[in-house]
Amino acid sequence: GAGVSQTPSNKVTEKGKYVELRCDPISGHTALYWYRQSLGQGPEFLIYFQGTGAADDSGLPNDRFFAVRPEGSVSTLKIQRTERGDSAVYLCASSSTGGTEAFFGQGTRLTVV
Amino acid sequence: AQRVTQPEKLLSVFKGAPVELKCNYSYSGSPELFWYVQYSRQRLQLLLRHISRESIKGFTADLNKGETSFHLKKPFAQEEDSAMYYCALTGSGGSYIPTFGRGTSLIVHP
Repeated sequence: GAGVSQTPSNKVTEKGKYVELRCDPISGHTALYWYRQSLGQGPEFLIYFQGTGAADDSGLPNDRFFAVRPEGSVSTLKIQRTERGDSAVYLCASSSTGGTEAFFGQGTRLTVV
Repeated sequence: AQRVTQPEKLLSVFKGAPVELKCNYSYSGSPELFWYVQYSRQRLQLLLRHISRESIKGFTADLNKGETSFHLKKPFAQEEDSAMYYCALTGSGGSYIPTFGRGTSLIVHP
């Protein structure tokens, strides 16, 4: 595709439920990042993939959050037992090997009710 | 640890006025600094980076290592500049994970 694509654009879920957020990066981009953005804040780093492996997951807030990128392209962010505090916009970005510019998707707005 | 500070949440100016969005950073090595912009209902996108030393849409930013600052400037603001602006930093040595500031909302009044 032409840019980073995230689905769904909006997700409303009940507290305690499981959700999956999908990111389709720019073709050929080896680096993929997940960020979380709360109201009035900048993007907060969650996890970074280089190829298929999670090179840095230090930003994941707790073990309810997990992300995979099994074939080095599409990535899924998984949140178990969602809490109201998980409500935020989840951003995905990708960049080329050695590149420093991050290309962002439009985000998934997650609302936990 | 790397950190980016944008002290102003909101900057409101009139069209034609000069604009300066402040950014300060902390990083122990040699960082690469960026400004990203998010226009209404659009995705976050790169505006400029310090290594390019270029002017984009009339905006410039100079890296001041002594003051650890990377302020974004434009001499004459336009209404279409109204947007959220985020300063970001990546580290050296292969760690390219961008760290973002909280953002400054720029509103340019007609």
